[in-house]
Amino acid sequence: DGGITQSPKYLFRKEGQNVTLSCEQNLNHDAMYWYRQDPGQGLRLIYYSQIVNDFQKGDIAEGYSVSREKKESFPLTVTSAQKNPTAFYLCASSIEGGRPYNEQFFGPGTRLTVL
Amino acid sequence: GIQVEQSPPDLILQEGANSTLRCNFSDSVNNLQWFHQNPWGQLINLFYIPSGTKQNGRLSATTVATERYSLLYISSSQTTDSGVYFCAVENPGANSKLTFGKGITLSVRP
Repeated sequence: DGGITQSPKYLFRKEGQNVTLSCEQNLNHDAMYWYRQDPGQGLRLIYYSQIVNDFQKGDIAEGYSVSREKKESFPLTVTSAQKNPTAFYLCASSIEGGRPYNEQFFGPGTRLTVL
Repeated sequence: GIQVEQSPPDLILQEGANSTLRCNFSDSVNNLQWFHQNPWGQLINLFYIPSGTKQNGRLSATTVATERYSLLYISSSQTTDSGVYFCAVENPGANSKLTFGKGITLSVRP
């Protein structure tokens, strides 16, 4: 089945620790995205990548880092510099980045809690 | 940046009722999507509709880009329609960045 997978589903972390969230897609999409959702809010863009080995900061990139070494994978690291990391994290992909009329599809999300 | 406002923020319906959800945006768009977020957090794509009208079963959507709004219609609502409905837009030059509204929480009572 084609789709986007995220792991783990739930993640607990102690303050001061870095943690990496996984996102994989087998849709052969060029572009991938990371969003953050806080309770009662819409989604906000953290980072996006339009092509392998390239990525750009979104609206709330501080305290996060990403890599895009493979087309299928776009892992997100939440560093200890992120002041309020507890949130729901959603990964998305689309066929092409930077082009108009470009529908995005979302994975099931990872719920991160900092203890 | 572009602003997205959804209304009403909360909606309670009796099963079988119809409803209209609204999305207003502050600038021109080349992408508009409606999503349903289920109780587990999954975002389900409902419509990709930068302009025009589409229908899918009991749901339909209309976007009037020149007047900067989109409407999502739900007919004969069912309890499984409950959840949060998001509108998200991308304006030209945004490099595929979607801006989301805050969502509309729908509760359908049996």
